[in-house]
Amino acid sequence: GQNIDQPTEMTATEGAIVQINCTYQTSGFNGLFWYQQHAGEAPTFLSYNVLDGLEEKGRFSSFLSRSKGYSYLLLKELQMKDSASYLCAVKDSWGKLQFGAGTQVVVTP
Amino acid sequence: DSGVTQTPKHLITATGQRVTLRCSPRSGDLSVYWYQQSLDQGLQFLIQYYNGEERAKGNILERFSAQQFPDLHSELNLSSLELGDSALYFCASSANLQGGGMNTEAFFGQGTRLTVV
Repeated sequence: GQNIDQPTEMTATEGAIVQINCTYQTSGFNGLFWYQQHAGEAPTFLSYNVLDGLEEKGRFSSFLSRSKGYSYLLLKELQMKDSASYLCAVKDSWGKLQFGAGTQVVVTP
Repeated sequence: DSGVTQTPKHLITATGQRVTLRCSPRSGDLSVYWYQQSLDQGLQFLIQYYNGEERAKGNILERFSAQQFPDLHSELNLSSLELGDSALYFCASSANLQGGGMNTEAFFGQGTRLTVV
């Protein structure tokens, strides 16, 4: 089966940096995804990692270590609009896309 | 706009009833996923279809069923509804069944908010 763990909530100040960790155990691995979801809205795609290393996309970066079953999402220069839930998701060998419970990030002034 | 269309946006129905939720994937996407999200909960994977065939099943109740039609749109049928079935139901689509390349991310529709009273 699949098990995806991430912290429930994190709080940070506007302009700061926050790192959201995700650990996973899956039946096969075909990529790790990060999504952002505002309350009551659809998740939107942020990043994708399939090889080890860091992927940078503007203020957001995502890192993957397949041997450790570990990823993190780094949010830099936090803005108030970044307050949202951040979802870690893993695609297994069959293409099944399973999500973690999400990390609620609260950005304070 | 993700290109994934879900109808209806809102649905209110009574316990014991049956409803059908519809999803039109992005043009060209063969893979369709259904998820349930209860209040303040994560996305629970229900079922996945690829090019008309069921590919993976999550913790989907026996009262729920789905199918993907030849034109690739999908329907999720929920029957004998209970109060606890009230949730946001999301459909997502992606181009490829498996990862390992570009265009593998899933795009989500805006969801159908189901309220069972």
